[in-house]
Amino acid sequence: DTGVSQDPRHKITKRGQNVTFRCDPISEHNRLYWYRQTLGQGPEFLTYFQNEAQLEKSRLLSDRFSAERPKGSFSTLEIQRTEQGDSAMYLCASSSRDSSTNLEQYFGPGTRLTVT
Amino acid sequence: AQKVTQAQTEISVVEKEDVTLDCVYETRDTTYYLFWYKQPPSGELVFLIRRNSFDEQNEISGRYSWNFQKSTSSFNFTITASQVVDSAVYFCALSGDSSYKLIFGSGTRLLVRP
Repeated sequence: DTGVSQDPRHKITKRGQNVTFRCDPISEHNRLYWYRQTLGQGPEFLTYFQNEAQLEKSRLLSDRFSAERPKGSFSTLEIQRTEQGDSAMYLCASSSRDSSTNLEQYFGPGTRLTVT
Repeated sequence: AQKVTQAQTEISVVEKEDVTLDCVYETRDTTYYLFWYKQPPSGELVFLIRRNSFDEQNEISGRYSWNFQKSTSSFNFTITASQVVDSAVYFCALSGDSSYKLIFGSGTRLLVRP
């Protein structure tokens, strides 16, 4: 049973460039979440999908951020015109819809973004 | 608004000591869920436990135990006979019926010294 995977694990980019991250959830999970974590803080929610539908977006998700989950499987998070303040760890998590079992979210290893 | 407070920024103990990590939450949801996650130095968040608001039974799993008290809005985590491998940042989190997102506290860094 493979866990949540994220690619790339590290990304260094120059300010103003666009970046895209990919997340592959646990195969039977239909909910997928994106969080951002900065040093010394807890993860902050960005957005989540149920199947291919994006059901909630945080106010943290500015117009430069867009997320997709086109076939209800993997998801991508794109940041356009990156800024130094975007430097953080971007975490993906997935969970099952079946409320009789698990509402807990399982996290991937994260993508660490550094904007220079 | 939902909020999780972990007032202890860092705790240092000597191996085999017991240690309790505090978590206080705020929510207006009548049904909600509380979680603990561990983030070791490797960085990946590891799920430890989920507790439903309608189930106030405390739980023990090996050296770990959790004390959920609705009256004080607290969900504290105790590690008995701590080990060096317990060194990590521990996060308490909350979600409610109005949203599946997790609201995390700022974490408590636990250092267990040999």
